[in-house]
Amino acid sequence: EVHLLESGGGLVQPGGSLRLSCAASGFTFRSFAMSWVRQTPGKGLEWVSTISSGASTYHGDSVKGRFTISRDNSKSTLYLQMNSLRAEDTAVYYCAKDKSGGLEGLFDYWGQGSLVTVSS
Amino acid sequence: DIQMTQSPSSLSASVGDRVTISCRASQGISSYLAWYQQKPGKAPKLLIYAASTLQSGVPSRFSGSGSGTYFTLTISSLQPEDFATYYCQHCISAPYTFGQGTKLDIK
Repeated sequence: EVHLLESGGGLVQPGGSLRLSCAASGFTFRSFAMSWVRQTPGKGLEWVSTISSGASTYHGDSVKGRFTISRDNSKSTLYLQMNSLRAEDTAVYYCAKDKSGGLEGLFDYWGQGSLVTVSS
Repeated sequence: DIQMTQSPSSLSASVGDRVTISCRASQGISSYLAWYQQKPGKAPKLLIYAASTLQSGVPSRFSGSGSGTYFTLTISSLQPEDFATYYCQHCISAPYTFGQGTKLDIK
């Protein structure tokens, strides 16, 4: 059974940094693309970043230059390094497994979510 | 970026009803369209992909159709566990965007 468990969320001041982690199990992690999707009450669901099985990375315009997605296949763990955080980055961040190894953008399993709050 | 617009934003229905939710893309996306179901406090769940392919384990009362710019999700006979919020999402290319959601509640 596929499990995705996010950690690392919390309260951070504007301009600060945070790193989210997502521990994966129940599938061959290195063979699949992985993504981060966030959700806010006001803006709904927003795709953030994707990393392919080959480690190619893609980021949305709203986080480009500030967020970095990465993976450690030896640990079956996905990361999201978030720098220069803004109030509008406040959201629940979901780790999501893509259905394929390539850049398909189709999310067949999701974690339970990690809340990030950016506030002074 | 491709914009996804769902209608209606909310919908009240009864158990046993047939309901249809629409999703329109701002430009053609062929059949690169997925539908998700989300219940309060839970992560989204993939229901349908490639516009009409049912994800494994999803009941057959759910169906999807459409291509190009117009898509629909139909629930043939609502069950109590189907009351939730539904989102469409295109996956033709990044950035992947979602519709604003359709909240389905009990009449």
